[in-house]
Amino acid sequence: YELTQPPSVSVSPGQTASITCSGDKLGHKYVCWYQQKPGQSPVVVIYQDSKRPSGIPERFSGSNSGNTATLTISGTQAMDEADYYCQAWDSSTVVFGGGTKLSVL
Amino acid sequence: QVQLQESGPGLVKPSETLSLTCTVSGGSISSYYWSWIWQPPGKGLEWIGYIYSGSTSYNPSLKSRVTISLDTSKNQFSLRLNSVTAADTAMFYCARLLRGGNTGYWFDPWGQGALVTVSS
Repeated sequence: YELTQPPSVSVSPGQTASITCSGDKLGHKYVCWYQQKPGQSPVVVIYQDSKRPSGIPERFSGSNSGNTATLTISGTQAMDEADYYCQAWDSSTVVFGGGTKLSVL
Repeated sequence: QVQLQESGPGLVKPSETLSLTCTVSGGSISSYYWSWIWQPPGKGLEWIGYIYSGSTSYNPSLKSRVTISLDTSKNQFSLRLNSVTAADTAMFYCARLLRGGNTGYWFDPWGQGALVTVSS
């Protein structure tokens, strides 16, 4: 099973960033999203499609339907510049997307 | 809160076996899934495998070379990757795999990572 993400997304500060993750019938599975800043371990920002762990700002949201899951960052801040990875579960294995570098310009 | 810490040699020779241990503190290792993930320099995350109550599942691309084991008495789990090559040079992360529903699985928390270089 494969998850496909765009290699890069750019957004202006204060605007909305959308990062997509595509896979066959992905909407039938739960998707989670990780943020990874340079030199740091990944941190989950969204799990089970749209749930935010405690401590994650409300500007992070997620959705999943059809073949595409989307991570949305509203009012993007400079501190949100990072790599983002989607992840799903398929046939008792874990699958990661290739990652998207979010640039806040 | 649960914390994870990887430990092991930072340098392994080609053809040898890479061994890493993840020590879990702040909670019991029982009744959870525990996993290893790696990230080659400059590249993305790749799942290696997980262990749950003695049962394991591995990435098909690595299955022939990987073993993950659990030591509940020490609150640790371990990774062994044999016949390593330079292509196995990577940051290795251990993480707890949480479950919600049939397909809702996510990693939280992660260890800080251990960089392993394969070189003679």
